[in-house]
Amino acid sequence: GAVVSQHPSWVICKSGTSVKIECRSLDFQATTMFWYRQFPKQSLMLMATSNEGSKATYEQGVEKDKFLINHASLTLSTLTVTSAHPEDSSFYICSARPGTREAFFGQGTRLTVV
Amino acid sequence: QQQVKQSPQSLIVQKGGISIINCAYENTAFDYFPWYQQFPGKGPALLIAIRPDVSEKKEGRFTISFNKSAKQFSLHIMDSQPGDSATYFCAASKNTGNQFYFGTGTSLTVIP
Repeated sequence: GAVVSQHPSWVICKSGTSVKIECRSLDFQATTMFWYRQFPKQSLMLMATSNEGSKATYEQGVEKDKFLINHASLTLSTLTVTSAHPEDSSFYICSARPGTREAFFGQGTRLTVV
Repeated sequence: QQQVKQSPQSLIVQKGGISIINCAYENTAFDYFPWYQQFPGKGPALLIAIRPDVSEKKEGRFTISFNKSAKQFSLHIMDSQPGDSATYFCAASKNTGNQFYFGTGTSLTVIP
């Protein structure tokens, strides 16, 4: 099946710094990728839809300036958490969907801001 | 507004028993209904999926039952095993769109 690779798997950063998370589709091209956030024992909440070559579409309540999304190629989307604070600590997951088939998810990134 | 409602929130089943998780949706434009399994610290992995033109789909010990008129679908795990202990999410999407709407998740524990 298709593979979506996410990096890093976990990261610890100091409050006020920025963190970049990468999401790659390894064996298919993804014009659209999705970024989710998941709090402990909760569901996946869609943060934004990343579109190759154009601006991302953010869900209501998600700060565009804090969560910068770049989708520069058909196989790579990045999420940058800027000026991170402890409340940004969460599990971030990306996904991509080849055509209309099932979605494939990355392994997730555990972000801890100290 | 929760597009997909899932129950129960948690479930404890004896080894060998049947685990049943239910989901309901409102948007009749949804036409793809997958179930995902997630282990702690990992991303969700597709378990099984169904489209509304069939009422049931079975893959090994996993079965989806789909009731289009009631706008409900459920996951049945037969002969549940301790290795099945995980969080299960139902989801729905429109074929023409790409976004998935997830249920709230069910934490399944299978006790030996």
